[in-house]
Amino acid sequence: AQKVTQAQTEISVVEKEDVTLDCVYETRDTTYYLFWYKQPPSGELVFLIRRNSFDEQNEISGRYSWNFQKSTSSFNFTITASQVVDSAVYFCALSEARNFNKFYFGSGTKLNVKP
Amino acid sequence: EAGVAQSPRYKIIEKRQSVAFWCNPISGHATLYWYQQILGQGPKLLIQFQNNGVVDDSQLPKDRFSAERLKGVDSTLKIQPAKLEDSAVYLCASVGAGQAYEQYFGPGTRLTVT
Repeated sequence: AQKVTQAQTEISVVEKEDVTLDCVYETRDTTYYLFWYKQPPSGELVFLIRRNSFDEQNEISGRYSWNFQKSTSSFNFTITASQVVDSAVYFCALSEARNFNKFYFGSGTKLNVKP
Repeated sequence: EAGVAQSPRYKIIEKRQSVAFWCNPISGHATLYWYQQILGQGPKLLIQFQNNGVVDDSQLPKDRFSAERLKGVDSTLKIQPAKLEDSAVYLCASVGAGQAYEQYFGPGTRLTVT
């Protein structure tokens, strides 16, 4: 079974629109971590955020915000007022503490921001 | 602080040939991961090292792939012999102690098998 599901394969928006990237995860562990990574065309994965399973507080960092809901096993990522530079593939990932911190990545969502 | 280094950046080989990739993690990082990322997919873990010991290699195709991490620092990943389906980007990542599992990724090696 998929540990991390990103149902949106590709999203296209026009600059300045808001966009939300969905992530649903599956785990039986009580201690786990969730991540979002950005992969621009250059290919290198860039860390954006980490949340642990005990902290459901939403977080905002500039134009980025994250909504963590354990009740629905979701960890969604919203970009406000998108910019062309936001165009990239975004990956959600899960790490289970009991499993030696093995990482499970989703299949990614490609975001195209058009001028 | 220098990042994770990988070489080569690109490699083109014919099927049945051998190839090796090298990774130098961030200094002091005990945990090292090798991932395979096929075009259009998310990274898939191949092997995880803790210092120079293997923690998880359950998804490593051991009939053709091998990896080692001598002295708990640099690591090499080898494919012998390569198949067409091995065409992918091979990513190396490392994690430092006390960093709550935040992985730092290298630029990757893009392998094309013809």
